[in-house]
Amino acid sequence: EVQVVESGGGLIQPGGSLRLSCAASGFNVSKNHVTWVRQAPGKGLEWVSVFYFDGATYYAESVKGHFTISRDISKNTLYLQMNSLRVEDTAIYYCARVRRWSTLSVYWNYGMDVWGQGTTVTVSS
Amino acid sequence: EIVLTQSPGTLSLSPGERVTLSCRASQSVIGSYLAWYQQKPGQAPRLLIYGASNRATGIPDRFSGSGSGTDFTLIISRLEPEDFALYFCQHFGSSPPWTFGQGTKLEIK
Repeated sequence: EVQVVESGGGLIQPGGSLRLSCAASGFNVSKNHVTWVRQAPGKGLEWVSVFYFDGATYYAESVKGHFTISRDISKNTLYLQMNSLRVEDTAIYYCARVRRWSTLSVYWNYGMDVWGQGTTVTVSS
Repeated sequence: EIVLTQSPGTLSLSPGERVTLSCRASQSVIGSYLAWYQQKPGQAPRLLIYGASNRATGIPDRFSGSGSGTDFTLIISRLEPEDFALYFCQHFGSSPPWTFGQGTKLEIK
């Protein structure tokens, strides 16, 4: 079964650090883009970061400089190191596979087709 | 960064009705990079449509997507009780940052 399972969330004080994990099964993180998306309580979805299959990494401006995405191919796992956490980082953090479909044009079709159940991060004093 | 604006914010309809959800981009985008998701309370989002008009695996054919340029739509031809949920559009772009629309809530009338 193709799935991702997030872990590592919890209650943390402002300024603290957490590392989230995303364990993938049924597909290789080395051959897929894998991304983090968060959702603050009662709010919409916010893209956070992505690790491309070729090793490139990207971040939303809101987390650049204080979140770091990484992966361990041997464990087929993605990580999100979150430092200097702020109250506004409070959210459910989802990990998702980004699937690509080839088309007849030069462009690929994209979609986040496998999502985990999410892990909750609460930043509060 | 492309901004996606979804409308309406909330829609109250009855089962059996047809619904059209709108997603407007702040500048022209490639349709290949436009996706739609459904999210029910307490659940993770689910991919419905990728590449603007392609149904994801297991998605019923009452869901369809269309559009190009700056205007994209998600149509549910005949609402089922399980379709009442939040819907988000999302743009990938040739490279990040990626963006989501703010969402449309579909509620039972």
